[in-house]
Amino acid sequence: GAGVSQTPSNKVTEKGKYVELRCDPISGHTALYWYRQSLGQGPEFLIYFQGTGAADDSGLPNDRFFAVRPEGSVSTLKIQRTERGDSAVYLCASSSTGYDTQYFGPGTRLTVL
Amino acid sequence: GENVEQHPSTLSVQEGDSAVIKCTYSDSASNYFPWYKQELGKGPQLIIDIRSNVGEKKDQRIAVTLNKTAKHFSLHITETQPEDSAVYFCAASIGDYKLSFGAGTTVTVRA
Repeated sequence: GAGVSQTPSNKVTEKGKYVELRCDPISGHTALYWYRQSLGQGPEFLIYFQGTGAADDSGLPNDRFFAVRPEGSVSTLKIQRTERGDSAVYLCASSSTGYDTQYFGPGTRLTVL
Repeated sequence: GENVEQHPSTLSVQEGDSAVIKCTYSDSASNYFPWYKQELGKGPQLIIDIRSNVGEKKDQRIAVTLNKTAKHFSLHITETQPEDSAVYFCAASIGDYKLSFGAGTTVTVRA
């Protein structure tokens, strides 16, 4: 079956712009996670959804970052007023429930010029 | 905060030899320890995982060991092949669903 998909695969934007990153989880998975991976580092937790609600957004670095999952499937990570320090690979993962194996998508490489 | 330390950061082995990567964690409540393999330009792929009620798990050439008392766990790859070259990440669960990752080990298998 299809795995986790993310679009776009690459996004280049200018400082101060707004960006949206999309994640399509594995069909039927109720849990969805966003991570950020900086160069040479492991993924860092940003936010966790169980169904439509954000159960834990403690990893979001500041209020410029926001994520939604309105129908409990597709999720969008939104970044306002982008900064050069936001440049990273943004990974999405999903799991059957909140306690199971997390399956990762290929990521979106965000570059803020 | 929750910390997972991973060593070594780079590892070069001759094809056919074994590779060992070690991780330590700080949260004594962690009970789930997955290992992911990440190839260039791709997302992390789960290769093996272990839960705290098990001390060792093996899947073909890959094995993981867990020492909860010492709070460390290790990945062992035997009979390494060129396609094993990648970055490997260990992780430890924080609470019911969050994962804390190590910084990664770049493994190079020399033909």
